[in-house]
Amino acid sequence: SQTIHQWPATLVQPVGSPLSLECTVEGTSNPNLYWYRQAAGRGLQLLFYSVGIGQISSEVPQNLSASRPQDRQFILSSKKLLLSDSGFYLCASGSSYNSPLHFGNGTRLTVT
Amino acid sequence: GESVGLHLPTLSVQEGDNSIINCAYSNSASDYFIWYKQESGKGPQFIIDIRSNMDKRQGQRVTVLLNKTVKHLSLQIAATQPGDSAVYFCAESLNDYKLSFGAGTTVTVRA
Repeated sequence: SQTIHQWPATLVQPVGSPLSLECTVEGTSNPNLYWYRQAAGRGLQLLFYSVGIGQISSEVPQNLSASRPQDRQFILSSKKLLLSDSGFYLCASGSSYNSPLHFGNGTRLTVT
Repeated sequence: GESVGLHLPTLSVQEGDNSIINCAYSNSASDYFIWYKQESGKGPQFIIDIRSNMDKRQGQRVTVLLNKTVKHLSLQIAATQPGDSAVYFCAESLNDYKLSFGAGTTVTVRA
């Protein structure tokens, strides 16, 4: 079965600082990878997804970017964080159409 | 905006009773639906899924019902236990790689 590793679990960063969140996947190859953000008490908003190395699709315009340097590595970045970037960031992995996504345990980001 | 929503944001249920969590979706072309459970501070955990060519699917203590006529999805949990306390999300997919999530229902199990 798939295991999604995310780190760090929590992060407090000042406004204007850079961000790098990493996600790695075990137990599968050629996964589709996703970054979701969850605001407090809300559902999950899809930020980025990738169907292969170097292939990134952005769902919403924002202050963030994503990269996939290796098959099972997905990185979420920002050059300058905004207060509105605070949230719970979740990485997910999936294998095909109409199949469940498997989620990591997320990173709680607080921008101060 | 979110294309999938939930009727009630909270549900309180007595331990041992059955729970029913409802979800309305707006896209009649969606062909895959899934329920997740999320405990505090953790990522969503897969519970059960259903494709649009089915109207019912059962798992261990859980049943998902799909009514395409009224675009309604429900999750039934039999004999609810304290460990079932969590936020439950429904999600839909339109035959692609992406899932759209609703806002979630918080289930609290009373002892």
